[in-house]
Amino acid sequence: NAGVTQTPKFRVLKTGQSMTLLCAQDMNHEYMYWYRQDPGMGLRLIHYSVGEGTTAKGEVPDGYNVSRLKKQNFLLGLESAAPSQTSVYFCASLRDQSYNEQFFGPGTRLTVL
Amino acid sequence: KQEVTQIPAALSVPEGENLVLNCSFTDSAIYNLQWFRQDPGKGLTSLLLIQSSQREQTSGRLNASLDKSSGRSTLYIAASQPGDSATYLCAVRPETSGSRLTFGEGTQLTVNP
Repeated sequence: NAGVTQTPKFRVLKTGQSMTLLCAQDMNHEYMYWYRQDPGMGLRLIHYSVGEGTTAKGEVPDGYNVSRLKKQNFLLGLESAAPSQTSVYFCASLRDQSYNEQFFGPGTRLTVL
Repeated sequence: KQEVTQIPAALSVPEGENLVLNCSFTDSAIYNLQWFRQDPGKGLTSLLLIQSSQREQTSGRLNASLDKSSGRSTLYIAASQPGDSATYLCAVRPETSGSRLTFGEGTQLTVNP
């Protein structure tokens, strides 16, 4: 199993550009999450999904959209990137709520100029 | 709102020393607490998970304790090695948040040869 994978690993955008980050998991997990990690702020939850076709807002959802059209994929979109969205983005998955351990991807480092 | 604090923010020790990392949380109504390791430029690796009904968990040279009533957890690392150098993150799963985690900012550990 590859576990949780993220594409791309690095990306540089100009202000106002759009992009989509892809998270994929091959563990048949129901729950998936998008976090951002910033210096001095820890990891903060952006959006999450409790199953195919569902999405919900986390702690810092503004400026992001998500979709979960397939169970194994969770997409994070930035429609109009801003410098404040410069961060490292992590995806995670969880088998279901009765389980405990979230599995994390390797991260995507995004810079918005 | 649940808040998680980790002290110290950074720690530098000589090889072979035993050390303790601290994590505190403001709301004792948690489902579990998890310790992660993060290497520079990498994702998160789960080290230990303690259920709210447990007092401690051990894995090799690592021992994590939980005092839910006082809102504290410690991660004890015995006989530290340079390979232990990393950032250690604590995360709690509040009872009322579903599966979402709240993270501390982490402790950056350096073990010097």
